[in-house]
Amino acid sequence: DTGVSQDPRHKITKRGQNVTFRCDPISEHNRLYWYRQTLGQGPEFLTYFQNEAQLEKSRLLSDRFSAERPKGSFSTLEIQRTEQGDSAMYLCASSSPGGRSGYTFGSGTRLTVV
Amino acid sequence: GDSVTQMEGPVTLSEEAFLTINCTYTATGYPSLFWYVQYPGEGLQLLLKATKADDKGSNKGFEATYRKETTSFHLEKGSVQVSDSAVYFCALSTSSTGANSKLTFGKGITLSVRP
Repeated sequence: DTGVSQDPRHKITKRGQNVTFRCDPISEHNRLYWYRQTLGQGPEFLTYFQNEAQLEKSRLLSDRFSAERPKGSFSTLEIQRTEQGDSAMYLCASSSPGGRSGYTFGSGTRLTVV
Repeated sequence: GDSVTQMEGPVTLSEEAFLTINCTYTATGYPSLFWYVQYPGEGLQLLLKATKADDKGSNKGFEATYRKETTSFHLEKGSVQVSDSAVYFCALSTSSTGANSKLTFGKGITLSVRP
C-alpha cells in the first residue's frame, strides 16, 4: 500500500469552470476526510465519509462543492463554477476503524483559479 | 467553537538548539491533542499525540505535555537537527473517538534549522 493518493497534484483552471479531484485512501481505511488549506493557514475541515456515507459537512462546503464516495473506496470532490477564492490546497486523509494512530494524509491537490 | 492558537513564526534556529513551539487551545469537553508535521513536498504526518490531561506524547525526540490547567500543548525538542526543518501544526479533536475524527488545526509554524 502506497498511502493516500490524490490526483491531480496541481490544477489550474479558469474562473467559472468545474473541477474534480480524486482521492484514493489506504485500502483498509473506512473513514475518508477532505480538508482545505490556504496559504499561511492550517487545514480546515470540509467533510468526511464513513464507508460510502457522508456523515458530516462543514459550513465551508458551499452548494458549489460536492463530495462522493460511491463504493466506500475512492472519493471525488467537485467544485462547480470555480471562484478565485477557491484557490487552495485540497487535502484528503483516511483513517482506520478505531483510528488510534490517527489520519494518513495525502500530498494534496493544489488548485489555482485564474 | 473549538480553536487552536499557535505562536507566530517563522522560527529559525541553529542546529542543536533547544526548540519550544507554543500551542494553546479552546475546546468544549476534553479534547485529544496532536502535533502534525509537514516536510517540504510531503503530506501532513502525525508527530505525537496526547488524549488526556497530564499525558506526554513523544516521538523522534519531540515531546509535548497536555496541560489542562493552562489549556496548552507546547512542543519541545532538546536539540534540533537540520532535518527537523518543516511546518508544524497543533491540532485538537473533541470527538470521543479521538484520533479518528474531525480535527481543528492551528495556523502552523515554519521551523528552519541552520547547520
